[in-house]
Amino acid sequence: QKEVEQDPGPLSVPEGAIVSLNCTYSNSAFQYFMWYRQYSRKGPELLMYTYSSGNKEDGRFTAQVDKSSKYISLFIRDSQPSDSATYLCAMSSLDSGNTGKLIFGQGTTLQVKP
Amino acid sequence: NAGVTQTPKFRILKIGQSMTLQCAQDMNHNYMYWYRQDPGMGLKLIYYSVGAGITDKGEVPNGYNVSRSTTEDFPLRLELAAPSQTSVYFCASTKDGSDEKLFFGSGTQLSVL
Repeated sequence: QKEVEQDPGPLSVPEGAIVSLNCTYSNSAFQYFMWYRQYSRKGPELLMYTYSSGNKEDGRFTAQVDKSSKYISLFIRDSQPSDSATYLCAMSSLDSGNTGKLIFGQGTTLQVKP
Repeated sequence: NAGVTQTPKFRILKIGQSMTLQCAQDMNHNYMYWYRQDPGMGLKLIYYSVGAGITDKGEVPNGYNVSRSTTEDFPLRLELAAPSQTSVYFCASTKDGSDEKLFFGSGTQLSVL
């Protein structure tokens, strides 16, 4: 079983739709949860960061962490064609917190059609 | 401010050849990382460094070597290239190991034939 599971998609939605991206994980020691966005032929860039359980909102993006279910989500409201990218979840534990080592999901490819 | 710069962007190697992937950052970051990304597999950590002169293995270090003689540079060496090393390689850095933000380079696409 992989430590972090993410549905690779692809996911295709019309412009303006609400998008839900999800990851499950098996390591209960994970405390830091991130979402990275990666455009084609580019490096990943940090989109959202959450520590432990709870929600975090930034504009059209909301990140949720449910540690009891070992499940994290990223919601995109009013999706735009410019949101078309691969979204990678990433996480780490307190043990690796001082080294910056992250465990990544496989990435979900999202296409938002005009 | 260039951020994290990787060279070359593309490279084709023959089996058994050697090469060095270059990575440089100009943000005075102490921590640097090498990841590889295979289709549908996410990113896997190859090696990392928490400062000049200090390196350590990640999840998939076999077939690679690194060095960190300066804060700015973190080259990745492939000694005997194998088809299994065909991948996209990303270098990343962060100031102090905080998990909040890794800065990634734009990647090196390597094919071993």
